[in-house]
Amino acid sequence: DGGITQSPKYLFRKEGQNVTLSCEQNLNHDAMYWYRQDPGQGLRLIYYSQIVNDFQKGDIAEGYSVSREKKESFPLTVTSAQKNPTAFYLCASSMGTGAQETQYFGPGTRLLVL
Amino acid sequence: GENVEQHPSTLSVQEGDSAVIKCTYSDSASNYFPWYKQELGKRPQLIIDIRSNVGEKKDQRIAVTLNKTAKHFSLHITETQPEDSAVYFCALGGSYIPTFGRGTSLIVHP
Repeated sequence: DGGITQSPKYLFRKEGQNVTLSCEQNLNHDAMYWYRQDPGQGLRLIYYSQIVNDFQKGDIAEGYSVSREKKESFPLTVTSAQKNPTAFYLCASSMGTGAQETQYFGPGTRLLVL
Repeated sequence: GENVEQHPSTLSVQEGDSAVIKCTYSDSASNYFPWYKQELGKRPQLIIDIRSNVGEKKDQRIAVTLNKTAKHFSLHITETQPEDSAVYFCALGGSYIPTFGRGTSLIVHP
């Protein structure tokens, strides 16, 4: 639990504004993920990274961008191109790069549009 | 990508009853089947998992069963308690990224 953190807990975005959500882990995990959670929709994958300086689009990448300059950090930017950004955003990490590893989730960031 | 169907979407039981949640999938290459529990406003956490070389796994009041021939796996919770109330997600592993079910909201009435 305690090895992966997200900030802020709540974030407000104005029209046309880009905002960045932070995700940090000290578990020495190779893989990191970003999910969006809407009521009744489960967890939808936005982006994932299996190694530093590499990342791949998930199912709903449009309007989002990421970077993976350090193993510990995987920030997500919600751009103005994302027209419906209100959601609960979860970051996760796993030790290995395959799908057979347990995912460890951060506490989440709730994004609201003003 | 892989697809996993989870049912029911909502499950309401009385304290002490059993609860069963089922997930079906189509990709025969899947070989890792975890279950996550998410309490209201909190992060999902792994509660139990099973790999394709095992048919059943138990941990106190929870168990997971796997039928690879029929391509389904289920979460069983016995003697439910109010603190079991949460959203439960199944997931599927086998390629690079996991696929999650849509979740089941379990409500345990005292």
